[in-house]
Amino acid sequence: NAGVTQTPKFRILKIGQSMTLQCTQDMNHNYMYWYRQDPGMGLKLIYYSVGAGITDKGEVPNGYNVSRSTTEDFPLRLELAAPSQTSVYFCASSSLRAGRAQETQYFGPGTRLLVL
Amino acid sequence: AQTVTQSQPEMSVQEAETVTLSCTYDTSESDYYLFWYKQPPSRQMILVIRQEAYKQQNATENRFSVNFQKAAKSFSLKISDSQLGDAAMYFCAYRSALLGNQFYFGTGTSLTVIP
Repeated sequence: NAGVTQTPKFRILKIGQSMTLQCTQDMNHNYMYWYRQDPGMGLKLIYYSVGAGITDKGEVPNGYNVSRSTTEDFPLRLELAAPSQTSVYFCASSSLRAGRAQETQYFGPGTRLLVL
Repeated sequence: AQTVTQSQPEMSVQEAETVTLSCTYDTSESDYYLFWYKQPPSRQMILVIRQEAYKQQNATENRFSVNFQKAAKSFSLKISDSQLGDAAMYFCAYRSALLGNQFYFGTGTSLTVIP
């Protein structure tokens, strides 16, 4: 298993540009998450999904959109990039077991985004 | 929302020595999980150890162990026989046991291992 993969690893955007951060997991996990990590800070949840077709906002959703058409993929869309979105973005996944959310998240390697 | 506090932005330890990283959290829930994640310069988040709140026994993973004090809402990480590869940012995290609930992360502790 490759686990959780993210592309690209690094990207520079101009203000107002759009882009999609890709996230794929091959562990058949129900739950998927997008976090951002600003310098010197912990992770903040942007959006999460409990299964294909179901998404919900996290702590910092403004300026982002997500979709979950398949179990494997959970892309994050930035429509109008702003300097405040300069950050490192992590995708994560976890499974559902015996009716309880699996407590361990598996993280991707991250995407570093710079908006100038 | 739950909060997770790591009061030590930076720590250092001599190689082969022991170091303890502190974490406190605030919650009104009784059923939850706690985690320590390691983030090396590669930026990838790596699970170090986890603790279920309903278990009184402290979790242990090789050189890593925790001191879980539920009443005090404290969850410290002890690294024994520190190695150069232990140098990284360490994040404490909380997750409710409820379905679909999110993780809450602390701001991290940067650990330096001195040869």
